[in-house]
Amino acid sequence: QSVLTQPPSVSAAPGQRVIISCSGSRSNIGDNYVSWYQQLPGTAPKLLIYDNNERPSGIPDRFSGSRSDTSATLGITGLQTGDEADYYCATWDSRLNTALFGTGTRVSVL
Amino acid sequence: QVQLQESGPGLVKPSETLSLTCTVSGGSISNYFWTWIRQPPGKGLEYIGYIYYSGTTSHNPSLKGRVTISVDTSKNSFSLQLTSVTAADTAVYFCARGGFSAYTQGHFFDHWGLGTLVSVSS
Repeated sequence: QSVLTQPPSVSAAPGQRVIISCSGSRSNIGDNYVSWYQQLPGTAPKLLIYDNNERPSGIPDRFSGSRSDTSATLGITGLQTGDEADYYCATWDSRLNTALFGTGTRVSVL
Repeated sequence: QVQLQESGPGLVKPSETLSLTCTVSGGSISNYFWTWIRQPPGKGLEYIGYIYYSGTTSHNPSLKGRVTISVDTSKNSFSLQLTSVTAADTAVYFCARGGFSAYTQGHFFDHWGLGTLVSVSS
């Protein structure tokens, strides 16, 4: 059902930077705040970013978020092997009246 | 630190009702939104719905009215019922807390349970 599109995978070498995009529409990203989650293998998702660009306590500033029009991005700098995980964007959809998750992006550290 | 723990049967027969409970510890269930989210094996996350501690609910319209979410403040817990299940409902089911910020209420999820796998099979 997801209408939030993410690239299936991104990869980079340790220490490098990756950017994950999340593309939506006016009724979701265009009208509501975006959050981002990290899901390590076999674990529950963990909140990384809320309100487009805010980090919860304990999340390092290597993780950053932004939103522009109907798209959002998650940036990870100083990539570490421990960052290998699936990443999901999420937001509310005002037309469907439900929360939506993105299709998910797997980050690999080369 | 708030902790959430899902509980319920790991196997449900087709056409029957899936029932799960999420028990909240380390904090009160009051004044927050509480949600259910699921993840089919090898697939992405799907939002099921939420309940506010006062009892207001909302659910994903894609589940076509099969969802009931209830809260028991005396037990600091909330529950999910999903009726008429099929194999497509096989998933890891997570409960999560809806966070509050200056701009949003309940639209992001700041604490999660570990998840519980529910398989639908005869």
